[in-house]
Amino acid sequence: QKEVEQDPGPLSVPEGAIVSLNCTYSNSAFQYFMWYRQYSRKGPELLMYTYSSGNKEDGRFTAQVDKSSKYISLFIRDSQPSDSATYLCAIRQGGKLIFGQGTELSVKP
Amino acid sequence: DTAVSQTPKYLVTQMGNDKSIKCEQNLGHDTMYWYKQDSKKFLKIMFSYNNKELIINETVPNRFSPKSPDKAHLNLHINSLELGDSAVYFCASSQDFAGELFFGEGSRLTVL
Repeated sequence: QKEVEQDPGPLSVPEGAIVSLNCTYSNSAFQYFMWYRQYSRKGPELLMYTYSSGNKEDGRFTAQVDKSSKYISLFIRDSQPSDSATYLCAIRQGGKLIFGQGTELSVKP
Repeated sequence: DTAVSQTPKYLVTQMGNDKSIKCEQNLGHDTMYWYKQDSKKFLKIMFSYNNKELIINETVPNRFSPKSPDKAHLNLHINSLELGDSAVYFCASSQDFAGELFFGEGSRLTVL
């Protein structure tokens, strides 16, 4: 079993839709959870960061961690074509990040 | 002014060759990394250096040899290239061992 599992998609939605991206992880000891966004032919950039359980909101983006079910989510409200990218969840284990496979999102105008 | 820069951006080479990728960061960070992203977008750590010292070495073939001449530079040399080495190699840096990672734009290696 991989340490972090993520559905690779692709996921296509119309502009304005609410998008839900999800990951599951295997080790209940993980505490630090991140979402990275990667545009085509670019490096990943940190989008959101949460520690332990709960929600964190930043504009149209909400990150949610459910430690009881080892599930992390990223919600995008009022999605825009500029949100089209690959979204990677990541978990910190010591000095390294363990990434999910990434979900490719396309928001159609 | 690019924070983490890698060269070359694209590299096409034959099996068996040796090649290097260079990385420089101007953020003043102490920690640098090499990550490999395969064709399915799976991003996996290869190496990490903190203050020029190797601190993470994942199960990477010893054909891959990182070198950090100073805190701002981390290079990756690959010997005897194989088809399976084709991937995008990302350099990244962070303030310290636990800080946010800043990635370069990647070096796309194609082995024919």
